[in-house]
Amino acid sequence: GAGVSQTPSNKVTEKGKYVELRCDPISGHTALYWYRQSLGQGPEFLIYFQGTGAADDSGLPNDRFFAVRPEGSVSTLKIQRTERGDSAVYLCASSFGGGGGYTFGSGTRLTVV
Amino acid sequence: KQEVTQIPAALSVPEGENLVLNCSFTDSAIYNLQWFRQDPGKGLTSLLLIQSSQREQTSGRLNASLDKSSGRSTLYIAASQPGDSATYLCAVRDNAGNMLTFGGGTRLMVKP
Repeated sequence: GAGVSQTPSNKVTEKGKYVELRCDPISGHTALYWYRQSLGQGPEFLIYFQGTGAADDSGLPNDRFFAVRPEGSVSTLKIQRTERGDSAVYLCASSFGGGGGYTFGSGTRLTVV
Repeated sequence: KQEVTQIPAALSVPEGENLVLNCSFTDSAIYNLQWFRQDPGKGLTSLLLIQSSQREQTSGRLNASLDKSSGRSTLYIAASQPGDSATYLCAVRDNAGNMLTFGGGTRLMVKP
């Protein structure tokens, strides 16, 4: 597609529920990144994929968070047993994986009530 | 661990002023630095990308400089307009990895 697409744009869920957030990167971009942005702060790195594999998942806060990219294109960020502290905007970005810049999606605003 | 700081955190100026946003980073071993704009409730729009071997990049009324050795970058906005009101984020990509480390952003308000 023309840009990075994230769905849903907004998600409200109850504490303890499971959620999935989807990212559709720019066609041909081999690298895909997930970031989390809390209100009034800059985005924080969660995980980076090169192709189908997670090249760096050091930013995932705990084992409730997991992400996949089975075919090297679309990625899903999965959060189990959601907590109120998980409320944030989850941003996805893609790049050619070399030295170029990143293109970000519009994000998914997750609210855990 | 790379740390990125942006000063000021917020800035309010009258329309027409030239202004400078500052970004500093602790580890000078960077691959590139990117400036983004973020409108309320929106994602990030890339403004300028400076590779580590470059000193500056320009796009329209925007100019970004990079002094890698001192760990600083500035974003210069000429003749500011109300439409420039947004949060401006600086992000650094290190040589060691592929992820970006972001500053906390500068919230800019340009008053008509």
